[in-house]
Amino acid sequence: GAGVSQSPSNKVTEKGKDVELRCDPISGHTALYWYRQSLGQGLEFLIYFQGNSAPDKSGLPSDRFSAERTGGSVSTLTIQRTQQEDSAVYLCASSLGGTVRREKLFFGSGTQLSVL
Amino acid sequence: GENVEQHPSTLSVQEGDSAVIKCTYSDSASNYFPWYKQELGKGPQLIIDIRSNVGEKKDQRIAVTLNKTAKHFSLHITETQPEDSAVYFCAVPSYGQNFVFGPGTRLSVLP
Repeated sequence: GAGVSQSPSNKVTEKGKDVELRCDPISGHTALYWYRQSLGQGLEFLIYFQGNSAPDKSGLPSDRFSAERTGGSVSTLTIQRTQQEDSAVYLCASSLGGTVRREKLFFGSGTQLSVL
Repeated sequence: GENVEQHPSTLSVQEGDSAVIKCTYSDSASNYFPWYKQELGKGPQLIIDIRSNVGEKKDQRIAVTLNKTAKHFSLHITETQPEDSAVYFCAVPSYGQNFVFGPGTRLSVLP
């Protein structure tokens, strides 16, 4: 595709329900990132995938959060037993990937999650 | 871990004036410094970046300057236009391959 695609664009759920957010990165990009952005705030790192390496999960705020990346492409971020404080925009980004920390990130438009 | 700050948090300028946003970081090993622009309802978009081996880079009306000794870099926008109104984030590579983003600067260009 032309860019990073995220779905759904908006998700409203009830407290305690599980949600799945999807990210389709740019074709050929081996690195994939998830960030969370609360209203009017900066970007909070959640998790990073690079090729077949073990993901960097150091940013996940609790064990209710998990993410998978199947076949080195599409990624799903799952939030179990959602809480109101999980309400935020969840942003996915991809990059070409590599061994040097000089990567240009390409972001999707995000999923706005609202937990009632 | 890496600590990234931005100043100011909000900035209003008249159309045609210049805008400067400063980003400070803590890890002296950082060697790549990007700036992202986020418009309402969209994800951040890279607008300019600089490597540690140069002190300044320009791209039309935008420029980035780097002071590695003082551990800060700045975004300069000249001849501002209404479409420059957005939130701007600096970012710094952190441990591993992820990036730490600054808290953002909301720029408003007044017609």
